[in-house]
Amino acid sequence: DGGITQSPKYLFRKEGQNVTLSCEQNLNHDAMYWYRQDPGQGLRLIYYSQIVNDFQKGDIAEGYSVSREKKESFPLTVTSAQKNPTAFYLCASSTADRALAKNIQYFGAGTRLSVL
Amino acid sequence: SQQGEEDPQALSIQEGENATMNCSYKTSINNLQWYRQNSGRGLVHLILIRSNEREKHSGRLRVTLDTSKKSSSLLITASRAADTASYFCATGLIQGAQKLVFGQGTRLTINP
Repeated sequence: DGGITQSPKYLFRKEGQNVTLSCEQNLNHDAMYWYRQDPGQGLRLIYYSQIVNDFQKGDIAEGYSVSREKKESFPLTVTSAQKNPTAFYLCASSTADRALAKNIQYFGAGTRLSVL
Repeated sequence: SQQGEEDPQALSIQEGENATMNCSYKTSINNLQWYRQNSGRGLVHLILIRSNEREKHSGRLRVTLDTSKKSSSLLITASRAADTASYFCATGLIQGAQKLVFGQGTRLTINP
């Protein structure tokens, strides 16, 4: 799982509650990503950030929010607007050096979110 | 948007046999990568092949890329029980950010 730490490992959300998933990296990577994975499925991009204080929506951003105040940190908030939040959430990071044409992503161990 | 389609969705073979997984994609790419995921864990990068490369090797892994057919294959030779995992292809697009688009994955089971 490299230098990316996700916490907590398991998280439970009550109805109407916002919850925040933590993602910290010590790889000095500029770019960070959040993915959602449903059982037996691939990864779907929620949000990504290529530089501090900037982020873009991915394919399924509705009901989620992020911030990127520090290079090392990219927390994801699952809001009450996300009606089906039960899933496995993965955070990743990569260099943003397009000249190298290498955008290998390094993943954390994931957070499993369930609804009570 | 899911660009990659992987085939088969599941594959079960005997230890020592070779395993081949295929990935097809829709738009032009900068590179294609393969990742591995053990159950309930994060993904681990295996190998990257650039759009101007046709074949690449890494240990027991062999990846091919056919940009005319927009397809790639991952071959694992002399499989081991520890190779049991899900394998995902991911495409790096030419335009836009450094993000990747992942396929749905192939679930590989190696039987002892």
